[in-house]
Amino acid sequence: KQEVTQIPAALSVPEGENLVLNCSFTDSAIYNLQWFRQDPGKGLTSLLLIQSSQREQTSGRLNASLDKSSGRSTLYIAASQPGDSATYLCAVGTGANSKLTFGKGITLSVRP
Amino acid sequence: EAQVTQNPRYLITVTGKKLTVTCSQNMNHEYMSWYRQDPGLGLRQIYYSMNVEVTDKGDVPEGYKVSRKEKRNFPLILESPSPNQTSLYFCASSPTGVNQPQHFGDGTRLSIL
Repeated sequence: KQEVTQIPAALSVPEGENLVLNCSFTDSAIYNLQWFRQDPGKGLTSLLLIQSSQREQTSGRLNASLDKSSGRSTLYIAASQPGDSATYLCAVGTGANSKLTFGKGITLSVRP
Repeated sequence: EAQVTQNPRYLITVTGKKLTVTCSQNMNHEYMSWYRQDPGLGLRQIYYSMNVEVTDKGDVPEGYKVSRKEKRNFPLILESPSPNQTSLYFCASSPTGVNQPQHFGDGTRLSIL
């Protein structure tokens, strides 16, 4: 059974810092890996999707990498801002394109 | 505006009283899915639908039903709600499956007393 782990559960950093959020998964037979952002009282917003054949994806200040063989992904946030404060979740796609398994998320606080 | 709409957003009800949470998307997506989010457990998939012909169980389907009579709608039905179904529920959709970015609704917070 696929398990997705995100450690630590919470992180607080000063504004302007570059930071890395980690995600690990137990079964390397994945279709893709997605990173989401969740703001309080809101649904999830898709940030980046890396297909299993890819190594990384970039969008603005965000860069996500995928190492299938080691079961790891990282989300790099450059020059963090208070507006980046949110919960970040990773999820792996499996099960004949039908199933997403989520980590529990990392709650990020960026201090002004 | 492209969106996934869930109703109601909040509901407090009692054990055993049947309820339906509606989900509708306006993006002509084939794939739709329901999740529940609980503290310490994260998001878990309840049911998914690849298209109007195919619906199947996720990881935690017990106590839930779904139907997909038309492409845009995917209601979640609790026939006899129990307190352990108190949770935050999310509906999501995408063009063809999890190999594409998922679009989520804003969530429905259910409290079963």
